[in-house]
Amino acid sequence: EAGVTQSPTHLIKTRGQQVTLRCSPISGHTSVYWYQQALGLGLQFLLWYDEGEERNRGNFPPRFSGRQFPNYSSELNVNALELEDSALYLCASSQIYRGDQPQHFGDGTRLSIL
Amino acid sequence: RKEVEQDPGPFNVPEGATVAFNCTYSNSASQSFFWYRQDCRKEPKLLMSVYSSGNEDGRFTAQLNRASQYISLLIRDSKLSDSATYLCVVNPPGDYKLSFGAGTTVTVRA
Repeated sequence: EAGVTQSPTHLIKTRGQQVTLRCSPISGHTSVYWYQQALGLGLQFLLWYDEGEERNRGNFPPRFSGRQFPNYSSELNVNALELEDSALYLCASSQIYRGDQPQHFGDGTRLSIL
Repeated sequence: RKEVEQDPGPFNVPEGATVAFNCTYSNSASQSFFWYRQDCRKEPKLLMSVYSSGNEDGRFTAQLNRASQYISLLIRDSKLSDSATYLCVVNPPGDYKLSFGAGTTVTVRA
């Protein structure tokens, strides 16, 4: 069974640019979560999508947005990039949301802002 | 107070030793708990779920103490490959996301 896949693996951008990150969940998983992990810091919850809708959002500005497609894949968009957006962006998926379901992570996209 | 707090460590232990560490959570009504491990600059990987009765998976044992609101992870007979950061994860009730601790770093030396 294929795991969660993310693309691209690495990305270099400059301040003010926009970026789109992509995620395909494990087959059969309908929930997709996005996290940001800056170097040396813990995971910060960004967004949760389930059945095509945004279900919850972390404490991030509106320039962080995303969507989920009918095939449950998802993309994360970040506009007006800032230096502090440099981080590892992780996507995770789980089966239809239940509190006892663990999340399974992709390898992440490492975003560097110059 | 943070939802999930962990001792960052590092815990430096020799091969074959036993190492244990805790994680505290703030919401007493939390129902689901997990331990993940994260290797340097890699994605977190599920290590084990933590059940009310406690559970064991090989050399790893997880316990839940609801009265004191903490979960623990014990690693027996440590291997070099156990060197990683261990993330405590809690699902607060009514909150549709998992809360991750900042992690406890374990380094096993030869």
